[in-house]
Amino acid sequence: GQQLNQSPQSMFIQEGEDVSMNCTSSSIFNTWLWYKQDPGEGPVLLIALYKAGELTSNGRLTAQFGITRKDSFLNISASIPSDVGIYFCAGQSGGGADGLTFGKGTHLIIQP
Amino acid sequence: DAEITQSPRHKITETGRQVTLACHQTWNHNNMFWYRQDLGHGLRLIHYSYGVQDTNKGEVSDGYSVSRSNTEDLPLTLESAASSQTSVYFCASSTNTGTGTQYFGPGTRLTVL
Repeated sequence: GQQLNQSPQSMFIQEGEDVSMNCTSSSIFNTWLWYKQDPGEGPVLLIALYKAGELTSNGRLTAQFGITRKDSFLNISASIPSDVGIYFCAGQSGGGADGLTFGKGTHLIIQP
Repeated sequence: DAEITQSPRHKITETGRQVTLACHQTWNHNNMFWYRQDLGHGLRLIHYSYGVQDTNKGEVSDGYSVSRSNTEDLPLTLESAASSQTSVYFCASSTNTGTGTQYFGPGTRLTVL
């Protein structure tokens, strides 16, 4: 099946620093999604991207849909303690009703 | 407010038993999905449904079944639970508008002894 390579696997940063993570694939995706998961909870959607080259912001978060449709990145500016969690990229290769292919996650840890 | 709920939140069962995990959404979404989450694997698709009476197999469907008798519910059944099915299970739903955005429930942690 399709696979997404998400990196880094974990990040240890200082509060206030900017964060960058990305996902790459050997396959083309029509939609890229970024989710955050807190312990004991389900993933929560952060940003959805629908067009190659699209750059979308949600507060301190910015994500881009790669021009080749095989990659996406997520940036978090000026990190705060509540940003701690696991961030997942997810791709959808077919239509809007297809299941998602997930990356393995980036575990973000913020040191005060 | 519309939401998606799962029950139970935690379940311990024995090998060989039949187990059913419930998923209920009040978004009135046509599409519903079941994923399992394991360390080192992220989330993987088990089964999905595009509407009443429709079900489809995902990447890791062996040992699982679903049925869709109404819009709101997609129960996941483990016919004969195995230790390899110890995992956290998430249900999700999405509209039929073509955007692909899926909304997830809080998860069910299943332990098979």
